Formats: sequence, C-alpha cells, structure tokens
Amino acid sequence: NAGVTQTPKFQVLKTGQSMTLQCAQDMNHNSMYWYRQDPGMGLRLIYYSASEGTTDKGEVPNGYNVSRLNKREFSLRLESAAPSQTSVYFCASNDRVYTDTQYFGPGTRLTVL
Amino acid sequence: AQSVSQHNHHVILSEAASLELGCNYSYGGTVNLFWYVQYPGQHLQLLLKYFSGDPLVKGIKGFEAEFIKSKFSFNLRKPSVQWSDTAEYFCAVRTMNRDDKIIFGKGTRLHILP
Repeated sequence: NAGVTQTPKFQVLKTGQSMTLQCAQDMNHNSMYWYRQDPGMGLRLIYYSASEGTTDKGEVPNGYNVSRLNKREFSLRLESAAPSQTSVYFCASNDRVYTDTQYFGPGTRLTVL
Repeated sequence: AQSVSQHNHHVILSEAASLELGCNYSYGGTVNLFWYVQYPGQHLQLLLKYFSGDPLVKGIKGFEAEFIKSKFSFNLRKPSVQWSDTAEYFCAVRTMNRDDKIIFGKGTRLHILP
C-alpha cells in the first residue's frame, strides 16, 4: 500500500497563476483533509471531505477550492495564487469509524513569488 | 469556534530529562484527543490517542498522555527523553458534533541535546 500520495512535491508559482495539488489514498477511507503548515501556526485545516460527494470548509478556506473526484482522490486548487499561500500543504485521510487516525501524505512545498 | 492551545512553542531538554507538553482545548462536548509527531524530514504520524475509558493512555516510544476532563487538558509526558525524540509535536482534537473536523494545535518544537 502506498498510503497517501501527493503531487507535486515542490512547486514555484508566480502571483496570479493557478495550480492543482493532487492527493490520493489507497486505504478506502471515507474522510479526506487538506491542511497547510506554516511556521508558528501549526496545521490549519483548509477543506475536508467526510465522504465522496461532500466537501466542507475548514479554518482557512479563502483562496482555495477542492474537488472530491472519487473515494480515492481529493484535489486542492489555487485559482489565483498569492504570496500568502506560500506554505507546505498536507493531505490526510482517515477511516473515521475504526481507528480515527489521520494518515498524512509527504506534503507539497509551494512557493508563490 | 473550537480551538486547541499548546503552551510551549519551543522546548529544549537534555537527554534523560523528563518531558511534559501542555495541550488544552475549548469544547464542552465529547472529544477524541490525539498527539501526532513529525520527525525531521518525515510524515506526521500518530503518537497516541484517547477516545474513552482510562484517561491515562500510552503510545509509541514510551510516551503517555493524561486526559483531565475538568481542565480540558491532554498533556503529553515522557519520563526520560532521548536525542531521537527531537521532533515537532502536535495536539489535535476531534469534536464529536455534526462537523467532521480534526483541529490541530500550533505545535511544540522539541530539541533534545545529546
């Protein structure tokens, strides 16, 4: 099992450019999450999806959109990147019912110039 | 809104010292509580969790945490730290309400001196 995979690992964007961060899990989990990690700010929840077909806003959703494409995949889109979105982005999945454990991907380090 | 507070942002200890990292949350209902750890260059991984029952829970690598409901706290402890415990530690809370969110604290960066 690969667990949770994320692409790309690194990305540099110019202000105003758009991009999509991809996340996939092979553990048949219903719940998936997107976090950003910034120094001194910890992990902040951007969006989450409790099940296929549903998405909800987290603490810091502004400037982002998400798509739960199917049970495996949950993508995060930046429509018009801003320097404030420079961060490390983590995707996670959770079986919710049995262990309620977050399984994290390796992260995407995004720099917006 | 629910929140999680970690009192220590950066802790430096010598090997064999005892460790206690504080965590408080703001939510009056039922919660699931977690500590996650991020070793340098690695994924975040679960250290331990509490759902119900014995409020003293044990996790991997000799860590334990105590849930004190009256204080809304879930402090992490280890009697004797090792250099390999150098990492960032995150407390997290799932509130058992309509939301399916897990909220993390800001993290504590632990540095163990050899």
